[in-house]
Amino acid sequence: DTGVSQNPRHKITKRGQNVTFRCDPISEHNRLYWYRQTLGQGPEFLTYFQNEAQLEKSRLLSDRFSAERPKGSFSTLEIQRTEQGDSAMYLCASSRLRDRGLNTEAFFGQGTRLTVV
Amino acid sequence: QQQVKQSPQSLIVQKGGISIINCAYENTAFDYFPWYQQFPGKGPALLIAIRPDVSEKKEGRFTISFNKSAKQFSLHIMDSQPGDSATYFCAALLSSNTGKLIFGQGTTLQVKP
Repeated sequence: DTGVSQNPRHKITKRGQNVTFRCDPISEHNRLYWYRQTLGQGPEFLTYFQNEAQLEKSRLLSDRFSAERPKGSFSTLEIQRTEQGDSAMYLCASSRLRDRGLNTEAFFGQGTRLTVV
Repeated sequence: QQQVKQSPQSLIVQKGGISIINCAYENTAFDYFPWYQQFPGKGPALLIAIRPDVSEKKEGRFTISFNKSAKQFSLHIMDSQPGDSATYFCAALLSSNTGKLIFGQGTTLQVKP
């Protein structure tokens, strides 16, 4: 499968627990994005990586959220001390930055549905 | 200035009809406008996209119309089918910048048989 892969697909956790999600992008894509989508809304940008460098973080990304992309391959998104308001679909997308500074289309994974109880 | 406004919020169309979804943006620096289709429990899938140097792009039953002066673009689904029932999102990005997508609020389309 050459698409964007996200694991787990679903996660139910108790409030206050830590959770970690993984994203494996399309192999030749050097840009990786995390978005959050709540019910009935469009995805909202959280953060993005170019290779292993995290270059932008949204104000939506509180101190409880941290993302990494070691070696510029897969990425993880960790949420510490989860709150009920963190319940959402967390989407990962990847794209490739071309030589002239233009992006190819972004392809999304299936997402991880987080439910905080 | 970073917003993309999408309408309508929901749409019901008879099979064989034309579905039309509209979007408007403010930031004139946006230079790439994709449409995504999302089924329940799935991630968004790229449907069709346009750059502002063309006024229309057609792929099969899907057409994007782009009006640069009005800062508006729309998706037309011709001969709508029940399998088209999904949520559609317009988006915009600065392709020479971060590649960050700014999404509209989404339109839930139901095509009745």
